[in-house]
Amino acid sequence: KAGVTQTPRYLIKTRGQQVTLSCSPISGHRSVSWYQQTPGQGLQFLFEYFSETQRNKGNFPGRFSGRQFSNSRSEMNVSTLELGDSALYLCASAGATNEKLFFGSGTQLSVL
Amino acid sequence: GQSLEQPSEVTAVEGAIVQINCTYQTSGFYGLSWYQQHDGGAPTFLSYNALDGLEETGRFSSFLSRSDSYGYLLLQELQMKDSASYFCAVIEGGKLIFGQGTELSVKP
Repeated sequence: KAGVTQTPRYLIKTRGQQVTLSCSPISGHRSVSWYQQTPGQGLQFLFEYFSETQRNKGNFPGRFSGRQFSNSRSEMNVSTLELGDSALYLCASAGATNEKLFFGSGTQLSVL
Repeated sequence: GQSLEQPSEVTAVEGAIVQINCTYQTSGFYGLSWYQQHDGGAPTFLSYNALDGLEETGRFSSFLSRSDSYGYLLLQELQMKDSASYFCAVIEGGKLIFGQGTELSVKP
């Protein structure tokens, strides 16, 4: 079974730009969660999608958005990038409950 | 709201046993999970405790005491490859919330 796939692996953007990250979950998993990881803040929950609906949302500004497609693939978008958005963005998939998450290798975003 | 407390760093020698503690405060508790993350890698699931007691998986064990809002991860027969960050996490409001992580350094 293929694992969680995230693309791209690395991304460099400048302030004010927008970015879209992609995540393909493990086959059969309908839940996809997104996390932001920075050295100072650890793993911060962004949002979770289940069967194309946002099921949970973290405390991030509206510049951060996401969606999920009918095949469970998910994208997250960050608009008007700020320097502080530089981070590792991790996607995780799960079955019906979130007791056990399977993470992708992440997208390392650098905002210059 | 919720909060999880775990030590930021732990150092141990190869072959030893190390315990990483986690205390939590959450308005609704379903269970405590542990994840391992090597530098530059993806977090990987280690264990999940929903009930009080000890769960053993090879060299790793995880313990939970719901009355004390406390759990720990026990790593035995430490190997150099165990050097990584370890995160405890709880489910609250359906979402998995992580602690800040404990960086474990295993020395020869």
